[in-house]
Amino acid sequence: AQSVAQPEDQVNVAEGNPLTVKCTYSVSGNPYLFWYVQYPNRGLQFLLKYITGDNLVKGSYGFEAEFNKSQTSFHLKKPSALVSDSALYFCAVRDIANDYKLSFGAGTTVTVRA
Amino acid sequence: NAGVTQTPKFRILKIGQSMTLQCTQDMNHNYMYWYRQDPGMGLKLIYYSVGAGITDKGEVPNGYNVSRSTTEDFPLRLELAAPSQTSVYFCASIKGQGRTSGGGKAYEQYFGPGTRLTVT
Repeated sequence: AQSVAQPEDQVNVAEGNPLTVKCTYSVSGNPYLFWYVQYPNRGLQFLLKYITGDNLVKGSYGFEAEFNKSQTSFHLKKPSALVSDSALYFCAVRDIANDYKLSFGAGTTVTVRA
Repeated sequence: NAGVTQTPKFRILKIGQSMTLQCTQDMNHNYMYWYRQDPGMGLKLIYYSVGAGITDKGEVPNGYNVSRSTTEDFPLRLELAAPSQTSVYFCASIKGQGRTSGGGKAYEQYFGPGTRLTVT
């Protein structure tokens, strides 16, 4: 079985400050991990993914994520947040050989104040 | 490419009515998925398809049906609408390598803009 937990419903930061959105996962084998972002009344947009290799993954819009196998975490980070980063963020995981089915976390609402 | 398109964008149904949510992709993706999104619950998989003529249940299939007669289209049918089906529905697709490949690569899913359905 595979599952994802996003422990924070909401994250509030000031513009220019670092942004971190937390995610922990559970899979039976090696994980494929993803971050998606959803702006109001829009579909989900892919941000970045971890397959294997470097633990620090760089993605779109200046976002990056750090994979930590021992802590089973895949936290999303941005060094300097923008007001336009305000959105709903989803972490997702999938195991290998399961028809590419993703399990999503409940989502974290990020609000960046000017 | 238009990507993944969904119609309608909004719909209000009365209890017991039926409707079909349309999903079309023009990327020649073989895998397609239907999710529902409820506040604070993330996305839950309803049904998915690995190719034309093949469909499988996801986590929450009750009350829904699907078909996949072509690669491009993957409609979702609600036969007897219930208030519990009030949700936002997303369709997604991916170019997978097929079940015999052993799982394939970490391709990301492409999502449609969603259909907001209210059942009253």
